[in-house]
Amino acid sequence: QKEVEQDPGPLSVPEGAIVSLNCTYSNSAFQYFMWYRQYSRKGPELLMYTYSSGNKEDGRFTAQVDKSSKYISLFIRDSQPSDSATYLCAPRGNDYKLSFGAGTTVTVRA
Amino acid sequence: GAVVSQHPSRVICKSGTSVKIECRSLDFQATTMFWYRQFPKQSLMLMATSNEGSKATYEQGVEKDKFLINHASLTLSTLTVTSAHPEDSSFYICSARPGRQGDYGYTFGSGTRLTVV
Repeated sequence: QKEVEQDPGPLSVPEGAIVSLNCTYSNSAFQYFMWYRQYSRKGPELLMYTYSSGNKEDGRFTAQVDKSSKYISLFIRDSQPSDSATYLCAPRGNDYKLSFGAGTTVTVRA
Repeated sequence: GAVVSQHPSRVICKSGTSVKIECRSLDFQATTMFWYRQFPKQSLMLMATSNEGSKATYEQGVEKDKFLINHASLTLSTLTVTSAHPEDSSFYICSARPGRQGDYGYTFGSGTRLTVV
């Protein structure tokens, strides 16, 4: 079993829709939860991070963490074609090592 | 914002030769640098962790004699793929962790696509 499970998709939505992405994890030591966006043949860029359980909002993006169920979510409101990318969840513990999910490929149709 | 420069972005080499990839943090000091490998349509797999002035720590299954990592300064880490073979062809990405308190997200380089022919 992988430490971080993420549905690779692909996910296709119309412009303006809400994109819902999620991951599950098995390591109870994870305390920091990051979401990265990766465009084709580029390095990942950090979108959001959350410490422990709770919600965090940043513009059109909302990250949620439920440590009791080991469930991580990212929501993108009012999605735009420029949001088309692969989204990677990446939790970590105190060893500073990120554990990446498989990544979900999202296409936002104009 | 924090920027990590990775070079080259693309390299083609002959089987049996060595290739060096550089990763530089441009506007911050990187306490730790990480090296990843990514196959097409797959996620990032951590290869090794390097701290400035120390030997790198390799993940299980990664050959340390094949993938030489040097972290000579707080702004530069290099990955050398020695005696490269076609199966080493992949996308290699570095990331840097700042030494500042409260910086949870790491900055990634733009990646190096290695093709061994």
